[in-house]
Amino acid sequence: GAGVSQSPSNKVTEKGKDVELRCDPISGHTALYWYRQSLGQGLEFLIYFQGNSAPDKSGLPSDRFSAERTGGSVSTLTIQRTQQEDSAVYLCASSSSRKATGELFFGEGSRLTVL
Amino acid sequence: DAKTTQPPSMDCAEGRAANLPCNHSTISGNEYVYWYRQIHSQGPQYIIHGLKNNETNEMASLIITEDRKSSTLILPHATLRDTAVYYCIVSGQNFVFGPGTRLSVLP
Repeated sequence: GAGVSQSPSNKVTEKGKDVELRCDPISGHTALYWYRQSLGQGLEFLIYFQGNSAPDKSGLPSDRFSAERTGGSVSTLTIQRTQQEDSAVYLCASSSSRKATGELFFGEGSRLTVL
Repeated sequence: DAKTTQPPSMDCAEGRAANLPCNHSTISGNEYVYWYRQIHSQGPQYIIHGLKNNETNEMASLIITEDRKSSTLILPHATLRDTAVYYCIVSGQNFVFGPGTRLSVLP
């Protein structure tokens, strides 16, 4: 497909378990963003990758959160020892711009529920 | 990143123009103004962006004041499907989204 693809679309896990969320950006897009959106809230920036540069991790809420982007394409967001407050929709976006001035294309998100 | 301020909610009658304001008084000279919208349970969708000049596309018009400290997104003929949360963002390193404006288009 031509859009940003995220998986899984829904994930239910137990408190304390680790989860991995995957984002497959649009081919050729150098910039990739992760956001979190809790129910009824706005988007919370988590992390930003741009090409081979060091990622901007300033939005990660705790050291339980980490993200990788392998080969400049697919990204994985990992949440360790999940807590109930981690329940949210995790959105990924990509952009072709190298200067963070381009249009962001969003995926449909991964809905995480921590019981 | 420059911060933006938007009203939390607005109503608009179907078929009328919806004018959504945004204040970005700390914008830098090379920062763009972007607008996105998010329809319930979907990912945000790009609408339009601009630097200094007014811009228009098939979805909307963007009016930026001469001092660039504020802008207005105009949906010329709002429909029920335009009901959404509208986000005004000033571009920077990491595209920070504020709470946006919840626009309700009423029949």
